[in-house]
Amino acid sequence: GAGVSQSPSNKVTEKGKDVELRCDPISGHTALYWYRQSLGQGLEFLIYFQGNSAPDKSGLPSDRFSAERTGGSVSTLTIQRTQQEDSAVYLCASSFSWELFFGEGSRLTVL
Amino acid sequence: AQSVTQPDIHITVSEGASLELRCNYSYGATPYLFWYVQSPGQGLQLLLKYFSGDTLVQGIKGFEAEFKRSQSSFNLRKPSVHWSDAAEYFCAVYSGAGSYQLTFGKGTKLSVIP
Repeated sequence: GAGVSQSPSNKVTEKGKDVELRCDPISGHTALYWYRQSLGQGLEFLIYFQGNSAPDKSGLPSDRFSAERTGGSVSTLTIQRTQQEDSAVYLCASSFSWELFFGEGSRLTVL
Repeated sequence: AQSVTQPDIHITVSEGASLELRCNYSYGATPYLFWYVQSPGQGLQLLLKYFSGDTLVQGIKGFEAEFKRSQSSFNLRKPSVHWSDAAEYFCAVYSGAGSYQLTFGKGTKLSVIP
């Protein structure tokens, strides 16, 4: 498709389990972002990838969170040993200039 | 670090009324400024952006925003609101200076009374 694709759209997991969220950016976009959106908290920056440069991981809230981007395209956000406070919508965006194009997000619920 | 404040959590207006959503930023130099809209169940969409030049910028869906350096503000306006404008609106800023983090405000939810 032409837009940013995220999967799964919904994920329910048990506390302590690991989860992987996938983002397929728009073809040709060199930059890729992950944000977390919690109710009433706006969008929290997590991590940024630009081409082959080292990612900006300054927004990752703990070492349980990690992300990778393979071949400059698809990205996976991994949350290990999930906690209830990890419940949120995780948004991916890609960009080739200053405008970000967002996917519809992956809603994570940790029971 | 840069920050963005949207003072109004929730605003309700009547259809056909004018709208102004407030946004203040904290950054020393001239930032790159954006407004995004998130309609229920949809992803965020760019409404408009300001980089430099004319301080009044036009966007999609009849929205405009004005950059006021002296007030560190970038308020979003629309002269006549339509019911379909009900959504959540986010102001965002790049600080530049080598940073590619786009920092968002906490959003303003707009409700429209028919």
